[in-house]
Amino acid sequence: AQSVTQLGSHVSVSEGALVLLRCNYSSSVPPYLFWYVQYPNQGLQLLLKYTSAATLVKGINGFEAEFKKSETSFHLTKPSAHMSDAAEYFCAVSDNYGGSQGNLIFGKGTKLSVKP
Amino acid sequence: KAGVTQTPRYLIKTRGQQVTLSCSPISGHRSVSWYQQTPGQGLQFLFEYFSETQRNKGNFPGRFSGRQFSNSRSEMNVSTLELGDSALYLCASSPYGGRSDTQYFGPGTRLTVL
Repeated sequence: AQSVTQLGSHVSVSEGALVLLRCNYSSSVPPYLFWYVQYPNQGLQLLLKYTSAATLVKGINGFEAEFKKSETSFHLTKPSAHMSDAAEYFCAVSDNYGGSQGNLIFGKGTKLSVKP
Repeated sequence: KAGVTQTPRYLIKTRGQQVTLSCSPISGHRSVSWYQQTPGQGLQFLFEYFSETQRNKGNFPGRFSGRQFSNSRSEMNVSTLELGDSALYLCASSPYGGRSDTQYFGPGTRLTVL
């Protein structure tokens, strides 16, 4: 069975500092991994996804994530935090059923605060 | 392209009532999934529809049901509402529901059960 663990339910950084949000996964098949962001009272927006092409994945708004199979990790980073990055971030792995279809299994989320 | 739309955005019901939520996917998308988001349980998968057929279902009681129409629009229904059903219900669409497909989420319907 697939699962996702996000370390740290709350992360606080200063504006301009490095953002690092941690995600570890468990998957019985080659994983497809996703990072989504949720702003208050909104749905989820895709930041980036890993689908077994490049291990370093670049996404929107300056975010990127690196797939490390040996560590079963897919951590999200951004070199310099901006106030507008304050939101909740979810890591997800695609479940596997029927061979090709899959719903998303989400981590518990990490709330990112950015201090001026 | 218009995004995923959900109606209504907010809903208040009382225990024992039933509720129907609606989701219109992105044009051309044939897969629609529903998720429940609560502070305690996080984001949990409810079910997925493709070409009017339910292909997968999460671990929820039978009070939760759904359907999909020929134009890919989907509805979910919750009967005999309980306080614990209060949540944000999110709908997501994708072209085929494949494992590598991006799921595009709507803004959600906030259901409050009193």
